[in-house]
Amino acid sequence: AQSVTQLDSHVSVSEGTPVLLRCNYSSSYSPSLFWYVQHPNKGLQLLLKYTSAATLVKGINGFEAEFKKSETSFHLTKPSAHMSDAAEYFCVCYTGGFKTIFGAGTRLFVKA
Amino acid sequence: DTAVSQTPKYLVTQMGNDKSIKCEQNLGHDTMYWYKQDSKKFLKIMFSYNNKELIINETVPNRFSPKSPDKAHLNLHINSLELGDSAVYFCASSQSGSLSYEQYFGPGTRLTVT
Repeated sequence: AQSVTQLDSHVSVSEGTPVLLRCNYSSSYSPSLFWYVQHPNKGLQLLLKYTSAATLVKGINGFEAEFKKSETSFHLTKPSAHMSDAAEYFCVCYTGGFKTIFGAGTRLFVKA
Repeated sequence: DTAVSQTPKYLVTQMGNDKSIKCEQNLGHDTMYWYKQDSKKFLKIMFSYNNKELIINETVPNRFSPKSPDKAHLNLHINSLELGDSAVYFCASSQSGSLSYEQYFGPGTRLTVT
C-alpha cells in the first residue's frame, strides 16, 4: 500500500539557518512527489514537484528537494530560513488512479 | 482571477441543519476533489470527480453528497450537520493525463457546527 510519512510533526529553526523537512514514501510504482505549503488560514500552495525527471528539484522561495529512490525519501530543504517560511508543509505522493496520498504535515517554526 | 474559488469562506451553523459549499475552478481542469482538514491539520480526501463522474468516494457518511453540474464546478451538500463535521473543507482541481498531476487548492471553507 502507498503511504507518506513525514518524520517530524514540528521543526523549529532560527532565522537564517538551514531548514530540513523529512519525508519518506512507500509506493509500488514510480511516484510523482510534491511538497505543498499552507500558511495560517490559507489554502495549500505547491512548492515543488518531482515527476521522474531531475532528482534534484527546485521550487519557489528558495526551497528544493531531492528524490532518493534507494532511500524512498523526498526531503525538503532551504539554505536559510525566513520568518515568512513559518507554515505547515505537506509531502504528497501520487501513483496513479486519481488518488494522492498526503503526509500528516510538518509545522515549521522560525525564531527571530 | 482566482484559479479555484470556494464559497462561503466561513460557515457557522447549528447541529441538524443542512448546508452547501460551492467550488469553481477556471483552470480548464477535468478533475475536482473535496478534502476535509481536521483540527490537527490532517488532510483526508472525501470525493473526486473526473469529467463529472464520481471516481473516488472515500468512507464518508452518506449525509455528505457531492454534485458536479459541469467540469468547472463541484459542490458539497451536507445534511443533518453534526459537531464532528466542524473542519476546514478544501476543494482542489487537477488535469488528468498530465505528467505532474499537481492539484490546485481553493482557500478553504471553515465550517463550525454548534
